[in-house]
Amino acid sequence: EIVLTQSPGTLSLSPGERATLSCRASQSVSSSYLAWYQQKPGQAPRLLIYGASSRAAGIPDRFSGSGSGTDFTLTVSRLEPEDFAVYYCQQYGSSPQFTFGGGTEVKIK
Amino acid sequence: QVQLVQSGAEVKKPGSSVKVSCKASGGTFSSYTISWVRQAPGQGLEWMGRIIPILGIANYAQKFQGRVTITADKSTSTAYMELSSLRSEDTAVYYCARGLPAASRYNYFDPWGQGTLVTVSS
Repeated sequence: EIVLTQSPGTLSLSPGERATLSCRASQSVSSSYLAWYQQKPGQAPRLLIYGASSRAAGIPDRFSGSGSGTDFTLTVSRLEPEDFAVYYCQQYGSSPQFTFGGGTEVKIK
Repeated sequence: QVQLVQSGAEVKKPGSSVKVSCKASGGTFSSYTISWVRQAPGQGLEWMGRIIPILGIANYAQKFQGRVTITADKSTSTAYMELSSLRSEDTAVYYCARGLPAASRYNYFDPWGQGTLVTVSS
């Protein structure tokens, strides 16, 4: 089973700052099968990025994804107040199996 | 746009079973997959399994093999997740989420249901 490790666990930033979130896989992951989600308290996760770098419908262009192989990154270019949330990466592998990273919480500094 | 609406919160005794439903409206049901993902209080997301409604084929995470059953009723566009032999550690919010058809170029979950809180307590 592929393990996804997200870092940092918590990111304390101010509105307007840039957020860089990391997702590292224990073995190579197909970029097509790497996605990012945002979750706010009391809400279901929301798809942000699929295929490692494609924004989902309605997602602002301040969100971007990059990476390949075992290292992937979610970047929020300028944090808006509504962006403070928990972010998860997720991969799909054969069997089929889906795994999620442990999450990164982006908090207001 | 497709929406997934789940059944309401449940309180169950240890050792019992729970069955949660997930009804799709406003879009195609059978040709996609429906996965179940759970989230224990204050914890991350955990995939439990999925079903391909058009085929009636289900796949399960190894952790839940033998304890979870995922089914789908194409006539009502509803998927079900039944978890048996409940223990306190199963207390969590259970989400259904639509995935792309098998062998798609991409694979991700969108949209998600609103979540169903299952509390296991004596």
